[in-house]
Amino acid sequence: EPEVTQTPSHQVTQMGQEVILRCVPISNHLYFYWYRQILGQKVEFLVSFYNNEISEKSEIFDDQFSVERPDGSNFTLKIRSTKLEDSAMYFCASSGYKENYGYTFGSGTRLTVV
Amino acid sequence: QQQVKQSPQSLIVQKGGISIINCAYENTAFDYFPWYQQFPGKGPALLIAIRPDVSEKKEGRFTISFNKSAKQFSLHIMDSQPGDSATYFCAASPYPGAQKLVFGQGTRLTINP
Repeated sequence: EPEVTQTPSHQVTQMGQEVILRCVPISNHLYFYWYRQILGQKVEFLVSFYNNEISEKSEIFDDQFSVERPDGSNFTLKIRSTKLEDSAMYFCASSGYKENYGYTFGSGTRLTVV
Repeated sequence: QQQVKQSPQSLIVQKGGISIINCAYENTAFDYFPWYQQFPGKGPALLIAIRPDVSEKKEGRFTISFNKSAKQFSLHIMDSQPGDSATYFCAASPYPGAQKLVFGQGTRLTINP
């Protein structure tokens, strides 16, 4: 079964440092997403990406965040200057364009900011 | 209002029993209602989903009941098993497969053997 792959599984970084979280979406999917889940809380939408541009973003996705699809397979989330409150699980997801067409989440990257 | 309210927060059910988790929404534009299952350290995995043109959908032991007029939908797990112990999230999307998902707060389900 096709999978969304995320690396690394766990990232520890110092406050103020830049981090890049990486994702390989399912190959024939067209939409790409990042979500965040703070420990014990609900999953929150950050951003969606389609046709090489951001299609929608949430209030959480401020100027410290950026996304990029640098080649035909990878999809990255960059946090420029991490804060303690950025500590969370970050999930990448991808989907096709038809109903129920595989809105699939990766296993996540646990980001710990110290 | 783009919120989905989920209850209960936690649920303990005996093996073989029926687990019921409820969700409610306000935005009538919501069009697609998936349920996700999440095990510790893993990403949410799609369990079952429904569109508002049907009132019920069943896949194996899992059933979604949908009440469009009340703007509520629920997940029923029949013959609950210890392997069903996980966190369950309801969600909603303005358009199936092509938009963001708005998640409920989650229900931690424990099935006692």
